[in-house]
Amino acid sequence: EVQLVESGGGLVQPGGSLRLSCAASGFTFSDHYMGWVRQAPGKGLEWVGHSRNKANSYTTEYAASVKGRFTISRDESNNSLYLQMNSLKTEDTAVYYCGRMPHYWGQGTLVTVSS
Amino acid sequence: DIVMTQTPLSSPVTLGQPASISCRSSQSLAHSDGNTYLSWLQQRPGQPPRLLIYKISNRFSGVPDRFSGSGAGTDFTLKISRVEAEDVGVYYCMQTTQFPLTFGQGTKLEIK
Repeated sequence: EVQLVESGGGLVQPGGSLRLSCAASGFTFSDHYMGWVRQAPGKGLEWVGHSRNKANSYTTEYAASVKGRFTISRDESNNSLYLQMNSLKTEDTAVYYCGRMPHYWGQGTLVTVSS
Repeated sequence: DIVMTQTPLSSPVTLGQPASISCRSSQSLAHSDGNTYLSWLQQRPGQPPRLLIYKISNRFSGVPDRFSGSGAGTDFTLKISRVEAEDVGVYYCMQTTQFPLTFGQGTKLEIK
């Protein structure tokens, strides 16, 4: 059974940093593209970024709104996906979902950027 | 970027009646590999998104057969043959043909 479990959310001040983790199980992690999507309170879904699979050298893509501030990485040894978020803004406040999209989604972790 | 436009944005439906949601993309979603990567997601209140339909018309595992998808190119439709109470939520179309991945605005399905 595919499972994706996010962690690392919380309250952070504007300009601060946070690292989200996504623990994956139930499939061969290195074979699949993995990504992050966020949802601001009461709003729709917004793609954040993606990591391609091992065959594509784990290269990454980012939304224009986070490019240069957010970085996606993987740890193949423990089947984990990460989202390093720097220079956080109040508009980054959202639930962040990890996904093997579009098929599988985690439960999400809430990030609140506020002073 | 590919813009995804859903209509309607709100759909009040009577239990047992059909419902239909349209999604239009600003350019063709046909990929060079021959597939069209258009999906439909359901998000119930307080829950993460859940895949219903992928590649236009393929029902995902465990999805009831009252859900169906159709379309081609830039025009796609999600149909629910007979709405049940558990179908309440927001429905999104999503394209994974090219980066950046994009979503429709969401259609809120509610019971009359």
